[in-house]
Amino acid sequence: QSALTQPASVSGSPGQSITISCTGTSNDIGAYTFVSWYQHHPGQVPKLIIYDVSNRPSWASGRFSGSRSGNTASLTISGLQPEDEADYYCASFTGRNTLVFGPGTKLTVL
Amino acid sequence: EVQLWESGGGSFQPGESLRLSCTPSGFTFSTFAMSWVRQSPGQGLEWVASISGSGDKTDTADSLKGRFTISRDNSKRILSLQMNSLRVDDTAVYYCTTGGTPSRRFFDFWGQGTRVSVSS
Repeated sequence: QSALTQPASVSGSPGQSITISCTGTSNDIGAYTFVSWYQHHPGQVPKLIIYDVSNRPSWASGRFSGSRSGNTASLTISGLQPEDEADYYCASFTGRNTLVFGPGTKLTVL
Repeated sequence: EVQLWESGGGSFQPGESLRLSCTPSGFTFSTFAMSWVRQSPGQGLEWVASISGSGDKTDTADSLKGRFTISRDNSKRILSLQMNSLRVDDTAVYYCTTGGTPSRRFFDFWGQGTRVSVSS
C-alpha cells in the first residue's frame, strides 16, 4: 500500500498538455525536494524523467517538467505525443531513509 | 555507457532462499549508491533496498526488513540481494538500479530486470 496517491488514469489528445499529481504528506513530499518521476512502457525498463522535483536528466524530453506545492508534486507533459502513452510513477524520499513509489498513473493519448 | 545486468532469478518455492546479483559496467561502481526495485505482476514499482557506495550504509523497506539483505563487493563489482523465507507475494521482476539512499534519492540507470516466481 503506497503512501503516495496518484490518479489511476489520465488522458489527452496529441499536442495537448496534461498534468499528473502525486500527493503525499508533510513527512515526505512536503518535507524534502527528493521527488522523482519515471516513465514505464509495459515490457520495457522504467526510465527516469524528473529528479529532485524539477530537474530533468539529459535523456529526458524537454516536454516533461516537474513542480511541487505543499504536499503535492506534479508532472506536466506538454505537446503530447503518441509515444508518451505509458505508466508514470512518482517517488519520494520519506525521511526515515526510505523511498516510496506512488501507485502509478496510466496515460492514454487519444 | 552505463549497463547493469541482473542474474539469479527463476522459480522457487515458498520458504526457500535465493541471491540475486547485479554486474555493472560503464561507471565507477564504488562511488555510486545502488538499489533494488521490484514490480509484481499487475502492480506498481516498489523500492526494496539501497546501499551506499562504500557499502557501509544500507536501507531496506520496512515490510522486507529481516528477510531481504542488500550487499555489495566493490572489489568484484557485484551488487547482491539475499532473499530469505520467500513468499508468494515476492513474485516480481527485480531491477538493479543506480542511485537511492543515502545520496542521490532517485534511480537513474536500470537493468533489464530478473524475474522471480514463488509458488508451491
